[in-house]
Amino acid sequence: EVQLVQSGGEIKKPGESLTISCEGSGYRFANYWIAWVRQMTGKGLELMGIIYPGDSDTRYNPSFQGQVTISADKSISTAYLQWKSLKASDSAIYYCVRRSEWGYYMDVWGKGTTVTISS
Amino acid sequence: EIVMTQSPATLSVSPGERATLSCRASQNLNTQLAWYQQKLGQAPRLLIRHASARATGIPARFSGSGSGTEFTLTISSLQSEDVAVYYCQQYIDWPTFGQGTKVE
Repeated sequence: EVQLVQSGGEIKKPGESLTISCEGSGYRFANYWIAWVRQMTGKGLELMGIIYPGDSDTRYNPSFQGQVTISADKSISTAYLQWKSLKASDSAIYYCVRRSEWGYYMDVWGKGTTVTISS
Repeated sequence: EIVMTQSPATLSVSPGERATLSCRASQNLNTQLAWYQQKLGQAPRLLIRHASARATGIPARFSGSGSGTEFTLTISSLQSEDVAVYYCQQYIDWPTFGQGTKVE
C-alpha cells in the first residue's frame, strides 16, 4: 500500500524552529515529486512547494519562498518541511502529498501534521 | 497566478438527490483540472483528474466534466458519506485550488 506517514502534531512558541517529516512507503520514493500543502483553520488549500527526492530539485510558491525550507533524504524515503523562526500565522495543518506521475495533481495524501504556534 | 472560483459556497442536498458543483478558472486549463473531497477531520483525497477521469476506487456516482475555464463535479445520487468539502485544483500552471464547496 502506498502511504505517506507524517510526524505528530507540534506546539511551539513564536521564534522557535521546527522541522516536520513525511515518510513514504509502498512505492519508489525517489521517483515521485513530494509537495507540502498548507491548510489554515477553516480555510482552503495552498501548495507551498515541491521537491523531487531523486535529485532534490525544489520549487517554491513565491508566497512561501524564504519562509520555509523543503528538503528530502531519499535514502530513508523522507521529506521535510522546516521553519527557522515560527510566527503565530504559521499555525495550520500541513499535508505531505505525492504528485502524480501523470500530471501536477496530488494522488496520495498524508494525514496531516497540526502545527500550533502560541506564546 | 490562476484563480479558481467555486460555486456555490454551500450546497444543501437531500440523500438520493443530484449535487452539481461548479468551478471556474481565470485562464484556459484545457482539461488540467482535479477534484478532491475532504471530509471533516480528514485529509483530502483525489476524486477526479484530467477533468473527467475518476481516480482509483472512486464510486461511479461521482463524475466530472468540462474543459477550458468551466468545470462541473456531479454526484448523481448523494449518499450520507458524501457530506464533505469539495475542492477543484488546476495544474496547467503552478497548482492553485478553489476555495471549496461544502456539501451538506
